[in-house]
Amino acid sequence: DTEVTQTPKHLVMGMTNKKSLKCEQHMGHRAMYWYKQKAKKPPELMFVYSYEKLSINESVPSRFSPECPNSSLLNLHLHALQPEDSALYLCASSAMRGSYEQYFGPGTRLTVT
Amino acid sequence: DAKTTQPPSMDCAEGRAANLPCNHSTISGNEYVYWYRQIHSQGPQYIIHGLKNNETNEMASLIITEDRKSSTLILPHATLRDTAVYYCIVRVLYSNTGNQFYFGTGTSLTVIP
Repeated sequence: DTEVTQTPKHLVMGMTNKKSLKCEQHMGHRAMYWYKQKAKKPPELMFVYSYEKLSINESVPSRFSPECPNSSLLNLHLHALQPEDSALYLCASSAMRGSYEQYFGPGTRLTVT
Repeated sequence: DAKTTQPPSMDCAEGRAANLPCNHSTISGNEYVYWYRQIHSQGPQYIIHGLKNNETNEMASLIITEDRKSSTLILPHATLRDTAVYYCIVRVLYSNTGNQFYFGTGTSLTVIP
């Protein structure tokens, strides 16, 4: 199983809402990633978790809060977002050895109103 | 700060080889080159990667120049389903913290019937 799943596929939220994005993989990967992608732009790295610990935070605003409850799950908690945070949010995972190929999920399309 | 540069768009006739160039003149000796493609807001899909030798798999070939400052992705017989944005990526490996992908701006490849 080389699949990374993400839920929900689409999310519309107001600026005062609290919501969460979920990501799951069962490939035994010990590194997981959150990316943000604006239209017609490449994905931008937000966070990296290695062995369930946050290892890279690319200076992401605190209204985005990642969580890695176990080696298969990755969450992104959202609170008090701005309209400019509307984007495609991609999750990826990779092994910590070997080819380090990143497997991407299909993404969550987020719209902040 | 971009580690790779790519032409923004290219066309290719169906059935012909598509050659997608990438410049990565500041690449370090232990940094790999990866290629991914993204079809219309789906998650990026892995194609191939390499360090300094040419590589081939069932999808494509990767030619890396001897000085490693540039590479070319070759799709040998392009089909309409190969229409996508192709990203050239430099992978930086951090020990014990996972690896970080530096995405280029991507080349939008259109395969023409």
